[in-house]
Amino acid sequence: AQTVTQSQPEMSVQEAETVTLSCTYDTSESDYYLFWYKQPPSRQMILVIRQEAYKQQNATENRFSVNFQKAAKSFSLKISDSQLGDAAMYFCAYRIPVYNTDKLIFGTGTRLQVFP
Amino acid sequence: GAGVSQSPRYKVTKRGQDVTLRCDPISSHATLYWYQQALGQGPEFLTYFNYEAQPDKSGLPSDRFSAERPEGSISTLTIQRTEQRDSAMYRCASSLGEGQPQHFGDGTRLSIL
Repeated sequence: AQTVTQSQPEMSVQEAETVTLSCTYDTSESDYYLFWYKQPPSRQMILVIRQEAYKQQNATENRFSVNFQKAAKSFSLKISDSQLGDAAMYFCAYRIPVYNTDKLIFGTGTRLQVFP
Repeated sequence: GAGVSQSPRYKVTKRGQDVTLRCDPISSHATLYWYQQALGQGPEFLTYFNYEAQPDKSGLPSDRFSAERPEGSISTLTIQRTEQRDSAMYRCASSLGEGQPQHFGDGTRLSIL
């Protein structure tokens, strides 16, 4: 069974600094997708970044980037120049492109605090 | 609409009652998903629709849970004979199609007394 593990229940960072959130996953598939979602206190669920497993290049979205290590089954999120608005729960998620099923498998989340 | 809309935002009901939650997806989106999120956990998949077809309902915890999307647009999730363990945030998401990024609504927080 596919699983997603986020081993850091909480992380903190000072404003303008850089923080890395960890995620590992377990799969026997070679083709899949990985995502990071942000859940702020407003209870939204916002897609932050997406990575296709067949792409060797790490995805980036402005201040957010990933370190995708396929062999190690690791998918960490780096937030540069942290801002107060980055404070939220961050969920790592995995999806396999299997016919007639299309679900995300989420980790348990990392709560990020940002200090001024 | 501009985003995924869910109603109600909050629902409190007594154990044993039936509840129905509603999801209005982004208008151009063919695929709609339901997830259950317990406090302190990540969302867990319940079921999804491709237009009105429901290819996978393997995540529904019991036969008390059912979902519909009769016209391929708005969807409802119904929980019959609610139990306290059903208390959770229920999230709906939609996407342009299978495999495309999923966009989530703000959820319905369900509390069973």
